[in-house]
Amino acid sequence: AQKVTQAQTEISVVEKEDVTLDCVYETRDTTYYLFWYKQPPSGELVFLIRRNSFDEQNEISGRYSWNFQKSTSSFNFTITASQVVDSAVYFCALSGNNNAGNMLTFGGGTRLMVKP
Amino acid sequence: GAVVSQHPSWVICKSGTSVKIECRSLDFQATTMFWYRQFPKQSLMLMATSNEGSKATYEQGVEKDKFLINHASLTLSTLTVTSAHPEDSSFYICSARPVLSYNEQFFGPGTRLTVL
Repeated sequence: AQKVTQAQTEISVVEKEDVTLDCVYETRDTTYYLFWYKQPPSGELVFLIRRNSFDEQNEISGRYSWNFQKSTSSFNFTITASQVVDSAVYFCALSGNNNAGNMLTFGGGTRLMVKP
Repeated sequence: GAVVSQHPSWVICKSGTSVKIECRSLDFQATTMFWYRQFPKQSLMLMATSNEGSKATYEQGVEKDKFLINHASLTLSTLTVTSAHPEDSSFYICSARPVLSYNEQFFGPGTRLTVL
């Protein structure tokens, strides 16, 4: 069985602060993929990143960065110099290679509120 | 590329009526489409996996007679909520996995269903 835990349900920061969203996962699959999605108030999921289990290199994309630590089963997401437009719900998700259809298992989500 | 549309984007209906939601992959073919349900302030929960030309696979606790899924072509899947009740009010999101793709899903913008 797969499980994704996002322990922080809500985070509130002031603009320009850095913020890290935690994600811890459980899986028995040897090969798996991890994702982060952003869901703004409009509801549409916005894909942010996909990382496979063999690639532990950290990734940076503009103000976004991701830290994949296989040893602790974590895939944390950091926003540097947060902006009001970053306010949204962020979901971490996992997809393995042994379950039918490669379905995504989502974490509970973290609601990020960036105040001006 | 990789655009998924859903129609309608929102619908309000009376209790007891049936509602059909369409999910289309606009610029790619999808052998597998997924249907998710999201209640307010909650995560996405997979309802069913639909494969073109075959019966959908429903997750535990999802009534197949209530949520009818048809995946008649490589670009279209439909979800029909039969005899809808207020507790079916939710945000329904579909995703599509391209043919020959592995662990890639593209999400539709979602359909907000309100049952009065």
